[in-house]
Amino acid sequence: GNSVTQMEGPVTLSEEAFLTINCTYTATGYPSLFWYVQYPGEGLQLLLKATKADDKGSNKGFEATYRKETTSFHLEKGSVQVSDSAVYFCALSGGDTGRRALTFGSGTRLQVQP
Amino acid sequence: GAVVSQHPSRVICKSGTSVKIECRSLDFQATTMFWYRQFPKQSLMLMATSNEGSKATYEQGVEKDKFLINHASLTLSTLTVTSAHPEDSSFYICSARLEPYEQYFGPGTRLTVT
Repeated sequence: GNSVTQMEGPVTLSEEAFLTINCTYTATGYPSLFWYVQYPGEGLQLLLKATKADDKGSNKGFEATYRKETTSFHLEKGSVQVSDSAVYFCALSGGDTGRRALTFGSGTRLQVQP
Repeated sequence: GAVVSQHPSRVICKSGTSVKIECRSLDFQATTMFWYRQFPKQSLMLMATSNEGSKATYEQGVEKDKFLINHASLTLSTLTVTSAHPEDSSFYICSARLEPYEQYFGPGTRLTVT
């Protein structure tokens, strides 16, 4: 079945540092890949997505590229801000299973210090 | 656009009573909605897939007689926790699928059973 593995947190960075949160997946076929963000006390928000191999999703300075050969979808941002402090979830849906529900990684907590 | 609401945001109930949680897609129609459960500092666990006009599909290990799901219209799904017990205390989150790929999440409902 489908599964998602992402790096454990918390990740603590200083403001303006470079961010990478690793995400790898297991699925057959070509699933759609997503990053969701959960700010403190709020629900999940879609951050970015990629629906086919080599696609790059981007939003609010965050980027992730769908790498079929390494089954990865790593999240990056060149310069983080304190307001980026949140929990980030990598997720997938679809692939050969056709499963519409999202399969989530365990989440990575990011703490950005001023 | 793509806003999903949940009501109530918090509920406290006594053991043995039932609680209904509503999930609404405010600006789009959703034939498919999902219900998740999130434990503290953990990822989301899919409970069931709610399909408009048909029975919900429950994940393995989720008691369908305890967690009743009704998806009566294209904008509303409800989750009723019947005969709630303290172990049912959790954060319940719904999402609505905006075809073809994306899911939008409600802000969640914190259930506390005393």
